Amino acid sequence: DAGVIQSPRHEVTEMGQEVTLRCKPISGHDYLFWYRQTMMRGLELLIYFNNNVPIDDSGMPEDRFSAKMPNASFSTLKIQPSEPRDSAVYFCASSEDRKAFFGQGTRLTVV
Amino acid sequence: AQKVTQAQTEISVVEKEDVTLDCVYETRDTTYYLFWYKQPPSGELVFLIRRNSFDEQNEISGRYSWNFQKSTSSFNFTITASQVVDSAVYFCALSEARRGAQKLVFGQGTRLTINP
Repeated sequence: DAGVIQSPRHEVTEMGQEVTLRCKPISGHDYLFWYRQTMMRGLELLIYFNNNVPIDDSGMPEDRFSAKMPNASFSTLKIQPSEPRDSAVYFCASSEDRKAFFGQGTRLTVV
Repeated sequence: AQKVTQAQTEISVVEKEDVTLDCVYETRDTTYYLFWYKQPPSGELVFLIRRNSFDEQNEISGRYSWNFQKSTSSFNFTITASQVVDSAVYFCALSEARRGAQKLVFGQGTRLTINP
């Protein structure tokens, strides 16, 4: 298996622009997570899905953030409009039997 | 609320030394899961171990071993005969065992540097 695949690996965008991060989970995994990593706040959960249904979105910072999982093999995290404080590494992970496997992350820089 | 504390921000040792990374957690749950992840310089997070709170047996995997002590709410990680390739940031994490509760709460991480 190729593991969790995220795209793009790096994204630089201007403040106010819309950003879409993409994730393909490991086939057969029924949970999908979006985490954010920053120096100040460490690793924090934004949202997770079970069988494509959002279960806990309490970590989503504000209405500018939205996540979708239209099918078992694809998820997106969208930020609109983006702000400099959104700069971070965004990880997607999928899990089976409570073992979460992470993608390589998307490093987002908002200037 | 759940919390994970990794008091050691950075550790630096010489190759072949043994090193222990500390992890202390807080939870009101009677059952839970504990994890360790490795984040090498390339940036991805690599799963190392999952431990159920029911199982307090220590675990060994090659040069890695884990000491789970429920009485002190600790889940420490020891690397024996460290190697340069072990250099990474290591994260301890906690999740509820309740069905459907899969959120991982991470510690702040310990940056381990193994010097040749």
